[in-house]
Amino acid sequence: GAVVSQHPSRVICKSGTSVKIECRSLDFQATTMFWYRQFPKKSLMLMATSNEGSKATYEQGVEKDKFLINHASLTLSTLTVTSAHPEDSSFYICSAPGQGAYSPLHFGNGTRLTVT
Amino acid sequence: QKEVEQDPGPLSVPEGAIVSLNCTYSNSAFQYFMWYRQYSRKGPELLMYTYSSGNKEDGRFTAQVDKSSKYISLFIRDSQPSDSATYLCAMSGGGATNKLIFGTGTLLAVQP
Repeated sequence: GAVVSQHPSRVICKSGTSVKIECRSLDFQATTMFWYRQFPKKSLMLMATSNEGSKATYEQGVEKDKFLINHASLTLSTLTVTSAHPEDSSFYICSAPGQGAYSPLHFGNGTRLTVT
Repeated sequence: QKEVEQDPGPLSVPEGAIVSLNCTYSNSAFQYFMWYRQYSRKGPELLMYTYSSGNKEDGRFTAQVDKSSKYISLFIRDSQPSDSATYLCAMSGGGATNKLIFGTGTLLAVQP
């Protein structure tokens, strides 16, 4: 089945620094990837849609200058949390649709970000 | 009103029990329905995927969709301690990848 790899699984950083999270589709190409954020005991909230070769599409309320998304190849999308603050601490998860028409999303294992 | 409602639980059952998990929704445009299982500190794993109304069975898991009632269910037969996880329903309108809307998830604990 489709495998999505996300790295790192956990990161702790100081307030004001930037953190980059990578999302790779391992055995298939993904022109589109999705970035979600999940708070404890809350649902997954879509942050943005990453489009290969073009600008990402951000959901309402998501700061595009704070959460930089780059989708430079058909197998890699990155999310950079810039000038991180403690309120950015969360679980970030990427996903990509599998192969074939109407293929459901497959998720990476998530990145636990803690900003101190 | 939320687009997708799901009882957060927790739901505790003995090993071997039949588990019923449910979601209701308000958007009649939803056509694709999914169930994901999420273990602690892990990403969601796709369990079941159905299009429109009807039933789908895969091993111990059965997914049901009733579009007339805007109600979907996941049944787990012969539940095992390894089934203990959070179960998330998700749905979308045009195309399975077209902006999934998730329920809050139901935390299930299967007691040995």
